[in-house]
Amino acid sequence: DVKVTQSSRYLVKRTGEKVFLECVQDMDHENMFWYRQDPGLGLRLIYFSYDVKMKEKGDIPEGYSVSREKKERFSLILESASTNQTSMYLCASSPRTGYTEAFFGQGTRLTVV
Amino acid sequence: LAKTTQPISMDSYEGQEVNITCSHNNIATNDYITWYQQFPSQGPRFIIQGYKTKVTNEVASLFIPADRKSSTLSLPRVSLSDTAVYYCLVEEDSSYKLIFGSGTRLLVRP
Repeated sequence: DVKVTQSSRYLVKRTGEKVFLECVQDMDHENMFWYRQDPGLGLRLIYFSYDVKMKEKGDIPEGYSVSREKKERFSLILESASTNQTSMYLCASSPRTGYTEAFFGQGTRLTVV
Repeated sequence: LAKTTQPISMDSYEGQEVNITCSHNNIATNDYITWYQQFPSQGPRFIIQGYKTKVTNEVASLFIPADRKSSTLSLPRVSLSDTAVYYCLVEEDSSYKLIFGSGTRLLVRP
């Protein structure tokens, strides 16, 4: 059974902290994605990666960075967490081509206080 | 970048057929249309994908007219467990991005 695993389901951090959200997939997929989801706004793409050490900005990259040192792992980093980054964060992976399904993790609900 | 437009919400009753239409006026020749379903507190999951005419699987059917400027997801005989948000995506051939819109919130009532 295919799996995308996010390290935490719930996370509470303080303003100004550096936050790491980890995502691991076991399907040998080339593509990995980070989204945030807020009420009424759907899923918005933060960053994606199409290969190890490769990354591209999505629609809302400000305040975030990413790291992909190994194919199976894609990390989202909040350099200095702010309250407006309180959200649900979803990781996904998909094979190289665009015409296949993406698999999502369960999500991490991050609260910044 | 093909943008999609869907109704914000829809209501239905158990046992009815539900059709959710998505507009994608700027779809490119090589783009495919994909639908995802998302339950509360879960990540989206793939439902169906198509290029033209009709595609059917065990969960849903997807109808795409000849001009491909819209598509309709059809859910036969919905149940309460079909209450979810449904997203229509147009997958670009030249990009690996998956861009989601705001989706359609379907509420199935008893």
